[in-house]
Amino acid sequence: AQSVTQLDSQVPVFEEAPVELRCNYSSSVSVYLFWYVQYPNQGLQLLLKYLSGSTLVKGINGFEAEFNKSQTSFHLRKPSVHISDTAEYFCAVRENYGGSQGNLIFGKGTKLSVKP
Amino acid sequence: ETGVTQTPRHLVMGMTNKKSLKCEQHLGHNAMYWYKQSAKKPLELMFVYNFKEQTENNSVPSRFSPECPNSSHLFLHLHTLQPEDSALYLCASSQDRQPPYEQYFGPGTRLTVT
Repeated sequence: AQSVTQLDSQVPVFEEAPVELRCNYSSSVSVYLFWYVQYPNQGLQLLLKYLSGSTLVKGINGFEAEFNKSQTSFHLRKPSVHISDTAEYFCAVRENYGGSQGNLIFGKGTKLSVKP
Repeated sequence: ETGVTQTPRHLVMGMTNKKSLKCEQHLGHNAMYWYKQSAKKPLELMFVYNFKEQTENNSVPSRFSPECPNSSHLFLHLHTLQPEDSALYLCASSQDRQPPYEQYFGPGTRLTVT
């Protein structure tokens, strides 16, 4: 069955330090992968997505993620974080059935807290 | 207005009240979704509509009643709710006929049931 695991519920980090938020998924078919960010009292905003092609994808706000098919992972990284990156980050997976797609399945989220 | 809008942004209701949440998308998408976001729980998909037809109901209690009069509007009618229904309700839309298939979310309605 399809599932998404975000290994860290909270990640504290100092400003200008690098950060990696981990995401692993399980699926028996090919998938589309997404990272969303949620700022306090707001909805979810798409950071980046992987559909096909290059396994390294770049998104908004300096974030990037790498799809690793053998490890079924899609970890999110940023080389230098800012205070404004403090938010909750959600990894999501959508199964690809060829002519249609499954529902978007979300991980439980990782709260990134950037300290000065 | 652009993107996905939701009204109201905040709602407090008693257990015997009847209220409705509204969602509107200005993106020309064909699919619309209701999600529930509770503290310490993953996002829960509640309903899916595709071209106004309900294609998914994830075992949602009947006190939640969705309505999709057209591809741009989605409602969630609420009646006789329970305190555990207090949560952030998010609406989303997507274009599923071709890639990239991502969902666009509204800002949510923060619901408190007293």
